[in-house]
Amino acid sequence: KQEVTQIPAALSVPEGENLVLNCSFTDSAIYNLQWFRQDPGKGLTSLLLIQSSQREQTSGRLNASLDKSSGRSTLYIAASQPGDSATYLCAVGTGANSKLTFGKGITLSVRP
Amino acid sequence: GAVVSQHPSWVICKSGTSVKIECRSLDFQATTMFWYRQFPKQSLMLMATSNEGSKATYEQGVEKDKFLINHASLTLSTLTVTSAHPEDSSFYICSARTGLAKETQYFGPGTRLLVL
Repeated sequence: KQEVTQIPAALSVPEGENLVLNCSFTDSAIYNLQWFRQDPGKGLTSLLLIQSSQREQTSGRLNASLDKSSGRSTLYIAASQPGDSATYLCAVGTGANSKLTFGKGITLSVRP
Repeated sequence: GAVVSQHPSWVICKSGTSVKIECRSLDFQATTMFWYRQFPKQSLMLMATSNEGSKATYEQGVEKDKFLINHASLTLSTLTVTSAHPEDSSFYICSARTGLAKETQYFGPGTRLLVL
């Protein structure tokens, strides 16, 4: 059974700092890995999708990497801003239907 | 593009009643839709996977007779919580995807259910 872990559960940084959010998973037989953003009481916004054959994806100030063999992914946020404050969820897709298994998320607070 | 809507956004009901939640893909055809449940400060837990025109596949521990899922068209799936109890109070989120498993899932905004 796939398990996804995100540590720490919460993180507070000053504005402008570059930061890395970590995600680990137990079963390396994945289809893909996604990073999502969730604002309080809201749904999910997909940030980056990495296929199992890829090593990284970039979108603006965000860069996500995938090391399938070690079961790890990182989300790098450059020059953090208060608007980046949210919960960041990592999810891995496994199985024929590529159903997603989510981590508990990291709640990020960027202080002005 | 790739917008998924849910209706209602929140609902309060009495214990014992049934509640229907709709999930629509607005600008694409969703061959597969997923239903998740999220308790406070917890992660999303997959409840079931539904493919258009066929019966839903439920995850272990999810009662199929309590959480009825219908995926009658390529743009609409419904989740009906039957005989709701206070412990069913949660945030229900759907997602939709085109036919290819490698493609991303697009998530709806969620429905908050409170059972009194």
